[in-house]
Amino acid sequence: EPEVTQTPSHQVTQMGQEVILRCVPISNHLYFYWYRQILGQKVEFLVSFYNNEISEKSEIFDDQFSVERPDGSNFTLKIRSTKLEDSAMYFCASSLEGVGADTQYFGPGTRLTVL
Amino acid sequence: AQSVTQLDSQVPVFEEAPVELRCNYSSSVSVYLFWYVQYPNQGLQLLLKYLSGSTLVESINGFEAEFNKSQTSFHLRKPSVHISDTAEYFCAVSEQGGSEKLVFGKGTKLTVNP
Repeated sequence: EPEVTQTPSHQVTQMGQEVILRCVPISNHLYFYWYRQILGQKVEFLVSFYNNEISEKSEIFDDQFSVERPDGSNFTLKIRSTKLEDSAMYFCASSLEGVGADTQYFGPGTRLTVL
Repeated sequence: AQSVTQLDSQVPVFEEAPVELRCNYSSSVSVYLFWYVQYPNQGLQLLLKYLSGSTLVESINGFEAEFNKSQTSFHLRKPSVHISDTAEYFCAVSEQGGSEKLVFGKGTKLTVNP
């Protein structure tokens, strides 16, 4: 069964450093998402992406964040200058149709620790 | 805006006992409802979803959830749990006819003990 993969599984970085989290969505999916979960809190939507453009972003997704689909398979989340409060589990997801009724398929997550 | 409340952060039960994981939501528009499950070291997997029609929806592994519009609830139940059901369960909603983003609850960790 096709699945979403994410690398690395755990990333440790120093405050102020740039990090890139990588995701490989399911191959025929067209809509891509990033969510995050700070320890003990809810899973929160960050951004959705379709046709090489951001289709929606949350208040969390400020100028420090960017997303890119650099090739036909990868989908990345970049944090330019990490803060302590960016420490969280980051989940990538993809879907075929990009409507509310469609199933989003999630990767296993990348745990980001900012020291 | 929508919000989802899962009041129970942890639910311990014995094997073969029934379980109910509670989910309530708040929304000014109609929503679709989802339960996702996360097994250790894996991603969130869709367990079941309610889109329309019959208010009772079932999964292939014996879970069911009932949409109750008046109570704004979508509780998840299983009449007899197995050790392999140990996981974290997330309730989520998305807008009908609007944004496809999922709004999640905090999750409920179900632990099934022998």
